[in-house]
Amino acid sequence: AQKVTQAQTEISVVEKEDVTLDCVYETRDTTYYLFWYKQPPSGELVFLIRRNSFDEQNEISGRYSWNFQKSTSSFNFTITASQVVDSAVYFCALIPVIQGAQKLVFGQGTRLTINP
Amino acid sequence: DTGVSQDPRHKITKRGQNVTFRCDPISEHNRLYWYRQTLGQGPEFLTYFQNEAQLEKSRLLSDRFSAERPKGSFSTLEIQRTEQGDSAMYLCASSLDAGREGCYFGPGTRLTVL
Repeated sequence: AQKVTQAQTEISVVEKEDVTLDCVYETRDTTYYLFWYKQPPSGELVFLIRRNSFDEQNEISGRYSWNFQKSTSSFNFTITASQVVDSAVYFCALIPVIQGAQKLVFGQGTRLTINP
Repeated sequence: DTGVSQDPRHKITKRGQNVTFRCDPISEHNRLYWYRQTLGQGPEFLTYFQNEAQLEKSRLLSDRFSAERPKGSFSTLEIQRTEQGDSAMYLCASSLDAGREGCYFGPGTRLTVL
C-alpha cells in the first residue's frame, strides 16, 4: 500500500511557539521521494522541500526544519518561532515509485493556525 | 510570471453542462499533471502527460472527463455533463523530473456545480 498519514487535522498555537507537524508514510519501494507543500488561503500549493529515501540527513532552512527517519517511516516538519504568516494547510506527500508518472500521493493535510 | 497558470480561477455551472479548464505549464517542463482536491482533503492524482502523450489515468477519471495536451504545451481538462460531485478544486502541476526537482502547482480552478 502507498499511503501518507497526517494524524493532526488541526493545530493552533500562539505566535513564537515552536510547532511540529507529523507525517507517516507507507510504501513497498526502497527508493522513493518525500515532500512537504504549503497551501495558504489563496489555494496555491507551494513546494517547501524534497527528500529522497537514501538521504536521512535532517535539513534546516531558516525557521523550518525537517526530520526524516526511515526506521519509523516518518518525515516530520518543525516550524521554530512561528509567525502568523505560517498559517496555512500543510501537506506531506510521497512519490512511491520513481519510474513512470512519478505521481504524488498526498496526506490529508494539517491546518495550522498561528494566533497573534 | 514564469509559474504554472490556470484559467479560469473559478467556474460556477449548472448540473449537466460541460466545462473546460486550461493549464499552461512552466515552459521547459515536459511533464504535466492534473489533480483534484475536495474540501478538507489532499489532492488526488487524475492524469499525467509526458509531452503530448497521456500516459496514465486514474480510475477517478470517469468517461465524462477528457484531457488533452496538443503539441506538448498547454493542457485542457474537459468535464461533460457535470454532476454536483464534480465540485472541487482542479489543480495542474508541471515538472521536468518530479522526484528530483519537485512538482510545481498552479493556482487551481475551483469548480462549483449547482
